[in-house]
Amino acid sequence: RKEVEQDPGPFNVPEGATVAFNCTYSNSASQSFFWYRQDCRKEPKLLMSVYSSGNEDGRFTAQLNRASQYISLLIRDSKLSDSATYLCVVGDMEYGNKLVFGAGTILRVKS
Amino acid sequence: SQTIHQWPATLVQPVGSPLSLECTVEGTSNPNLYWYRQAAGRGLQLLFYSVGIGQISSEVPQNLSASRPQDRQFILSSKKLLLSDSGFYLCAWSERDEQFFGPGTRLTVL
Repeated sequence: RKEVEQDPGPFNVPEGATVAFNCTYSNSASQSFFWYRQDCRKEPKLLMSVYSSGNEDGRFTAQLNRASQYISLLIRDSKLSDSATYLCVVGDMEYGNKLVFGAGTILRVKS
Repeated sequence: SQTIHQWPATLVQPVGSPLSLECTVEGTSNPNLYWYRQAAGRGLQLLFYSVGIGQISSEVPQNLSASRPQDRQFILSSKKLLLSDSGFYLCAWSERDEQFFGPGTRLTVL
């Protein structure tokens, strides 16, 4: 079983749509959670950290369910510029602060 | 603000040749540093991480090595490249729990 699992997609959605990505992780001791965005042939960039209480940043909402070991990302009112690969990332805050990356979910927003 | 640099941006090397990729970070002190590899169409694989000068932890057995000669410098090396070493090499830094990536080096081994 992979440590971090994501639906690879691709998710093809029209502009203005709402799209949700899901992610599960296997290490119950994980302490930190993130969503990164990666554009084609570019480095990953931090989109948002994910907290137990849930957090929102504009059109993006992230949720964490520790009991189910499940993380989600909701994008409302999709823009063409949202097209990218979204990476679910989990860390354990131990020595070295290592992160484990999911393989990513591809999003294509079309006009 | 902090910035992270990697070079070269792209590299084409023959099998069996040596490799040296460099990463430097500015605007921070004593960061944790990381080397990742991303093979085509796949996720990021952590190769090495360092919590301080001269301290290197290896995550996977391979023909690559890493060194940290200065606080904000991280080097990835190989004595003899394999075809399977091709990929997108990313350096990252962190102070707390978030990691920030450099622009990466795209390596093709022929």
